[in-house]
Amino acid sequence: DIQMTQSPSSLSASVGDRVTITCRASQSISNYLNWYQLIPGKAPKLLIYTASSLQSGVPSRFSGSGSGTDFTLTISSLQPEDFATYYCQQSYSSPYTFGQGTNLEIK
Amino acid sequence: EVQLLESGGDLVQPGGSLRLSCAASGFTFSNYPMSWVRQAPGKGLEWVSAIFGNGGTTFYADSVKGRFTISRDNSKNTLYLQMNSLRAEDTAVYHCATYRHPIHFDNWGQGTLVTVSS
Repeated sequence: DIQMTQSPSSLSASVGDRVTITCRASQSISNYLNWYQLIPGKAPKLLIYTASSLQSGVPSRFSGSGSGTDFTLTISSLQPEDFATYYCQQSYSSPYTFGQGTNLEIK
Repeated sequence: EVQLLESGGDLVQPGGSLRLSCAASGFTFSNYPMSWVRQAPGKGLEWVSAIFGNGGTTFYADSVKGRFTISRDNSKNTLYLQMNSLRAEDTAVYHCATYRHPIHFDNWGQGTLVTVSS
């Protein structure tokens, strides 16, 4: 199975900050990398697919980049509703594994 | 608007069975492949199973293969997950989701809690 490792595991930031979360795959996955946002009590939300494609309806302050084994999710200017847990997920091969999550907290 | 509503979660003893349902609305259900993804308490997300739109092809994670069965009734716009021989490690919130290729889960339900405990 492909292992996905996110860093950091947790992060404190303030409204307006620029934040970057990293995801590393245990082998090359081309650009088959997706990002999700989880907020307790709400349905998970797809943010980015195929590494850099913004899902419809997702604010443009979210962006993704990378290919091969190293990927990043960037939030250009944090808003109060962005404090959540973020997961990467590879879609290169089954089983479609997720990272362990990055908990983004208010500083 | 796409809506996915899971139900059927409960407290069940180890070795027991449970069937989860996911009622879909707001899209042409039969056109979309569907999946189950779970999140154990305090843990990350784990893909469980997937099924093509016509129900003819299914996929499973090794952790549930042989114990869980995914199915769908396109006439009822409903996805199912039959879970047998349940173990403590199956305790989780189970989400249903639509997906597109290359696999990304683009619409999710809020989930239903399954607790396996004696």
